[in-house]
Formats: sequence, C-alpha cells, structure tokens
Amino acid sequence: ELKVEQNPLFLSMQEGKNYTIYCNYSTTSDRLYWYRQDPGKSLESLFVLLSNGAVKQEGRLMASLDTKARLSTLHITAAVHDLSATYFCAVAPGGNTNAGKSTFGDGTTLTVKP
Amino acid sequence: KAGVTQTPRYLIKTRGQQVTLSCSPISGHRSVSWYQQTPGQGLQFLFEYFSETQRNKGNFPGRFSGRQFSNSRSEMNVSTLELGDSALYLCASSLTGGSGYGYTFGSGTRLTVV
Repeated sequence: ELKVEQNPLFLSMQEGKNYTIYCNYSTTSDRLYWYRQDPGKSLESLFVLLSNGAVKQEGRLMASLDTKARLSTLHITAAVHDLSATYFCAVAPGGNTNAGKSTFGDGTTLTVKP
Repeated sequence: KAGVTQTPRYLIKTRGQQVTLSCSPISGHRSVSWYQQTPGQGLQFLFEYFSETQRNKGNFPGRFSGRQFSNSRSEMNVSTLELGDSALYLCASSLTGGSGYGYTFGSGTRLTVV
C-alpha cells in the first residue's frame, strides 16, 4: 500500500524567509503532484514531477523529485502572505493507467506572518 | 476555457437516503477521478473513470459507485448514507490520466448527512 508522509504538518513563517516542505512516499512511483488548497476552496495544481531529478519552479515555489530516495521537496523562497495555504503532495503508482489514483499526504498548513 | 464543474455545490441528506453527485470535466478530458476529503481522513481516492470504464478503485464500500458517460461527464452515487459520509467530494479531470498530464479539480460538492 502506497503511503505518503508530509512534514511539517504546520508551518508558521515570517515574510521574507525561506523554508522547505518534505514529502516522502513508500513505494515506487513515477508521478508526483503538488497542490495548493485555500480555506474552503478546491485544490489548485502547482507542479507535476515525472522523473528523477526533475525540478520545476513557479514564482517563489520550487519543487524537486528524487525517486531513489522517494522524496520530493517544495521550497519556498522569500515567503509572502499570499502563499498562506495548505499544500498537498500526492503520489500515483507507476504505470500510465494509474495516474488518476493518487494517494495524498496529510497536507502542510503554511501561515506567513508579516 | 471552462474548468471542472461539479453540481450541486451543497447537499443536505438524511441517513439512509441516497445521493448522486455530478462532475463535468474540462472539454476533451477523458479521465475523471473522485476523492473524498474529510478533516479526519484527509483526501482519499474513490475511483477513476476513463473512456466510460472504471480504471481504478479505492478502498470504499460498495455503497459508493460511479459511472462515466460517453461525453466524459461522470456521476458518483452513495446509497444508504451514513453520518460518516459527510465530506467534501472532489472530482478531477485530466486529458488521459497518463504521464505528463496533471489533474484539474472542481470546486467540490459538500455533502452533509444528518
């Protein structure tokens, strides 16, 4: 059974600081997703990571994937208040027909304070 | 382009009743996945449909069922509702569900069972 563990679960940051959210998963996968969820809202897709060493960046967020270590990181650079949200990583089992069957981590609730 | 549309947005049902939720994917998307989100269990995969066939199934009882129509619209049905079925139900669509394609989530249907 695929298990996904995120840490930390809660993160309070000062504006302008950097931090990293970690996502570990238990079995082989070739597809990892990062999503953002604002309170009371749905999930917004941030990144899709498909191969070992993949790195993607959008604004102040950068995600990377190490399939050998079964680890993905979401790095936040110079945090701003607008980044306050819950961030989820999700992992799909290997194989093209399994992409729609994601296992989600518990989410990291990020609060950025002035 | 139009996003993923879920209807209704809110539902209140009584224990023992049944409910049907609808999801219209982005035009051209053929893969539709359903998830249940609760504060206690987080985001859990229900099932995925691709080209009118259930391609993947999560660990939910048989009271939870779904289907997909030829236009890729999907419905999920929950029979004999229990209090624990109260949750946010999210559907997500993707072009094929294969490698490289991310998933776009709808706004969700919030089901309350009383």
